[in-house]
Amino acid sequence: GAVVSQHPSRVICKSGTSVKIECRSLDFQATTMFWYRQFPKQSLMLMATSNEGSKATYEQGVEKDKFLINHASLTLSTLTVTSAHPEDSSFYICSARARGGHIEQYFGPGTRLTVT
Amino acid sequence: GENVEQHPSTLSVQEGDSAVIKCTYSDSASNYFPWYKQELGKRPQLIIDIRSNVGEKKDQRIAVTLNKTAKHFSLHITETQPEDSAVYFCAAVDYKLSFGAGTTVTVRA
Repeated sequence: GAVVSQHPSRVICKSGTSVKIECRSLDFQATTMFWYRQFPKQSLMLMATSNEGSKATYEQGVEKDKFLINHASLTLSTLTVTSAHPEDSSFYICSARARGGHIEQYFGPGTRLTVT
Repeated sequence: GENVEQHPSTLSVQEGDSAVIKCTYSDSASNYFPWYKQELGKRPQLIIDIRSNVGEKKDQRIAVTLNKTAKHFSLHITETQPEDSAVYFCAAVDYKLSFGAGTTVTVRA
């Protein structure tokens, strides 16, 4: 149980284009999903928290207009990197927290984004 | 916000020896402390966790201790094996999950 998927696993895009990453909870309903970014040999940095049906809460320093997050259902959250630049190249990981007051987070497998 | 510090950043041990990683946190509201193992290019994998009302927890070769007063928690791996080589992250959770910087563990055969 508690499986989270991400799609795509890898994506290469050109500078200036946008790319969408999907995060799905496959066997549970996720009231809260989290998006992290991880640069090589660094820790996971929280970008934003999204709750189903409401606007995402962004961490300080994360541009909300550049990283669009939509949590449209209890099983799906999307992150869209708009007008991508090479410095946006990173490993993006989502996690989901099940409804019912649970504290554990279940991580997706991550998406490797490369912007050329 | 929460600030989690993790030491050491790298740890090399001989197979069969023990490995210890230490973390401190700043927010007394944090009440859940998971530990993750991450292999290159993969998701963090929960290996053990402890809640604030417990001082110690053990699962086979892995144990975690928590000192709420001092805001310290530690991971102990005994009888290390080559497959224990990975990056380990501690974390503290009040609502959001704050990660430590990570420890790269290398187990020498």
